[in-house]
Amino acid sequence: KQEVTQIPAALSVPEGENLVLNCSFTDSAIYNLQWFRQDPGKGLTSLLLIQSSQREQTSGRLNASLDKSSGRSTLYIAASQPGDSATYLCAAPSGGYALNFGKGTSLLVTP
Amino acid sequence: GAGVSQSPSNKVTEKGKDVELRCDPISGHTALYWYRQSLGQGLEFLIYFQGNSAPDKSGLPSDRFSAERTGGSVSTLTIQRTQQEDSAVYLCASSLAGSVGDTQYFGPGTRLTVL
Repeated sequence: KQEVTQIPAALSVPEGENLVLNCSFTDSAIYNLQWFRQDPGKGLTSLLLIQSSQREQTSGRLNASLDKSSGRSTLYIAASQPGDSATYLCAAPSGGYALNFGKGTSLLVTP
Repeated sequence: GAGVSQSPSNKVTEKGKDVELRCDPISGHTALYWYRQSLGQGLEFLIYFQGNSAPDKSGLPSDRFSAERTGGSVSTLTIQRTQQEDSAVYLCASSLAGSVGDTQYFGPGTRLTVL
């Protein structure tokens, strides 16, 4: 079973700072990895999906990388804004179709 | 177009009662998933539907939990004889074909509180 871990559990940064969120996984035979955002009391919004054949994906100020050999993915957020405050979750399929999620990183961007 | 919708958004019930949670997937999506998000536990997979059949029920925590999907669309998750440990946010997701590479689109969830 694919185990997914996220560090740190919480992060607070001042507005404008660039930051990196970390995700590690145990099975290097990963099919893909997905990053989600969750706002308080809301569902999950898909941010980026990286296929196993890809090294990175970019969307606006977000860049996600995937290193299968080291079992790591990072989500880079450039020029952070208070509106980026949310919980960020990474997830990978576990054998079948179910996604295995990390417990998330709670990000607070202060003005 | 419309995203995944779930109802009710909040449900408070007494221990021992049965509850039904509903999920409306994105139109045309053949795959539907239920997850549970508990405080401190993170998100855990419950069940997966491809069309109306459920090839993977491995995540259902006990036989008090069941789910069905009709017409390849709406799904209902039923919890019988609710217990306090069932309190959680129940999230539904759908994807176009159910392939491992598909993006899953999530609904807003139903917050269940068992008193």
